[in-house]
Amino acid sequence: GNSVTQMEGPVTLSEEAFLTINCTYTATGYPSLFWYVQYPGEGLQLLLKATKADDKGSNKGFEATYRKETTSFHLEKGSVQVSDSAVYFCALRALGNQFYFGTGTSLTVIP
Amino acid sequence: GAVVSQHPSWVICKSGTSVKIECRSLDFQATTMFWYRQFPKQSLMLMATSNEGSKATYEQGVEKDKFLINHASLTLSTLTVTSAHPEDSSFYICSAEDPSPGELFFGEGSRLTVL
Repeated sequence: GNSVTQMEGPVTLSEEAFLTINCTYTATGYPSLFWYVQYPGEGLQLLLKATKADDKGSNKGFEATYRKETTSFHLEKGSVQVSDSAVYFCALRALGNQFYFGTGTSLTVIP
Repeated sequence: GAVVSQHPSWVICKSGTSVKIECRSLDFQATTMFWYRQFPKQSLMLMATSNEGSKATYEQGVEKDKFLINHASLTLSTLTVTSAHPEDSSFYICSAEDPSPGELFFGEGSRLTVL
């Protein structure tokens, strides 16, 4: 079946620290992979995506590389800001276009 | 970018009543919409896939008679929680795919509290 596992939070970092949020998946076939972000009081927004192996998605300083050999799509950012505080969801898009989400990782960045 | 709007954003109802939540795609037509349920500090659980003009496809374990989904037009899908009970209290989120560029957009969510 399809599933996504991401690291549990909450994660608290100081401003300008390096961020990694781990995400691994199981899927039938070759899914597309996504990171979504949910800011307080708002809906989910697409952060970045990758549609095939070895693709790197990037946006707003965040990056994630689709690693088929390790079935992973870890999210990274070299220097986080207070405005990055949010909940981050890793997701895969299955063959039938359904999305499956990880449990979400809450990130708090302190000045 | 494309916008998906949900209404109401929050609702409180008495046990045994039914509640309808609307999901609209505001500037694109969506043949497919998805309904999710999000428990506190947990992931989004896909409940069903709503297809315009046909019956919804429910995920395993989701009661189709409990959660009625109607996708009457290319811009509107509704989720009706029938005979709601306190355990149905949750955050319900819809999403719709804009076929161009093939991106999924999410509504703001609807928080249901059943007393």
